[in-house]
Amino acid sequence: ETGVTQSPTHLIKTRGQQVTLRCSSQSGHNTVSWYQQALGQGPQFIFQYYREEENGRGNFPPRFSGLQFPNYSSELNVNALELDDSALYLCASSFRPSASPLHFGNGTRLTVT
Amino acid sequence: ILNVEQSPQSLHVQEGDSTNFTCSFPSSNFYALHWYRWETAKSPEALFVMTLNGDEKKKGRISATLNTKEGYSYLYIKGSQPEDSATYLCAFIRNTGNQFYFGTGTSLTVIP
Repeated sequence: ETGVTQSPTHLIKTRGQQVTLRCSSQSGHNTVSWYQQALGQGPQFIFQYYREEENGRGNFPPRFSGLQFPNYSSELNVNALELDDSALYLCASSFRPSASPLHFGNGTRLTVT
Repeated sequence: ILNVEQSPQSLHVQEGDSTNFTCSFPSSNFYALHWYRWETAKSPEALFVMTLNGDEKKKGRISATLNTKEGYSYLYIKGSQPEDSATYLCAFIRNTGNQFYFGTGTSLTVIP
């Protein structure tokens, strides 16, 4: 089975720019969640998509938005980047929204200067 | 704000030692508790999904227990090996949504 893949692995942006991160979910999984991990913290839930619909959102501003496509791959878009957005962004797929274990990608390291 | 706390923050043990660490979470609205292992330069990997009070799960030398009434879970590693070196994360899921609330993790280093 194909695992979760994320692209790019690293990214450097300047404050105010926009960024799109991509995630291909594991085959057979219909749920994708995105997490932000800042230095010294655990992963923080951004949002979840289930069958192409947003299915839950954490405490992140509207400039964090997402999409899930018919093949269950997903994008995370962040507008008007701020320095505090510098973090590791993890994508995780699962078979069901909350009962199944998460399968994570290797993450995208975003640096905002 | 929902707090999931893990202790200790980091741990160094000798090869062959047994060790354990704790995940504390709210005792209300419990749905599930997950444990993940995150090795350096890899992605987090699921260890256990626990849903019932009193659950005990085992995978090789690693086991976990769950107490939902008092809001804690223990992860045990018997006879630690260098390959057990990783950060161990727990995640709490409420019965009122799909959000996973992660702790900050316990970083385990096993010294050969």
